[in-house]
Amino acid sequence: DGGITQSPKYLFRKEGQNVTLSCEQNLNHDAMYWYRQDPGQGLRLIYYSQIVNDFQKGDIAEGYSVSREKKESFPLTVTSAQKNPTAFYLCASSAGYGEETQYFGPGTRLLVL
Amino acid sequence: QKEVEQDPGPLSVPEGAIVSLNCTYSNSAFQYFMWYRQYSRKGPELLMYTYSSGNKEDGRFTAQVDKSSKYISLFIRDSQPSDSATYLCAMSARYNNDMRFGAGTRLTVKP
Repeated sequence: DGGITQSPKYLFRKEGQNVTLSCEQNLNHDAMYWYRQDPGQGLRLIYYSQIVNDFQKGDIAEGYSVSREKKESFPLTVTSAQKNPTAFYLCASSAGYGEETQYFGPGTRLLVL
Repeated sequence: QKEVEQDPGPLSVPEGAIVSLNCTYSNSAFQYFMWYRQYSRKGPELLMYTYSSGNKEDGRFTAQVDKSSKYISLFIRDSQPSDSATYLCAMSARYNNDMRFGAGTRLTVKP
């Protein structure tokens, strides 16, 4: 089955700790995205990558970092600089330029201890 | 003013009702319009995709885009309890990196 997987489903972060959220896709999509979802605010773009070894900041990149070493993988690190990390994190992918539809993974819920 | 406005609801209807969900937007450059359905604690799934103005129908779902009014709608006919979810509108000008989402409308269909 083609799709996007995210792990873990739930993640707990201690103060001052960096944590990494995994996102993998087997859709052969070029573009991948990370969003943050907070109640009543919709989805906000953190980072996106249109191609391997390249990524760009979205609207709320501060306190986050990403890498894109492989086409199928786009991990997100929530650093200790992100002071309000509790949220639902969603990874998405799309075929790339000319294909506007994004497909989402199941999400990771991050909670702060 | 937000680029995309969506009434968060909640909206509660009886089974079999026609549901109307709406979004307004301010950026006239938006050309691609999408509706996603999101069940609780799950990722959004694409329901409808429309380019520019007009209507698109898929089974019980109809998406309408009125670019002159900067207004999009999703209609659900013969609503079912399984339609109970949050519905997100999304739109972009051209490239996916400028996709903008509404806050989502929470819908409950009661048996």
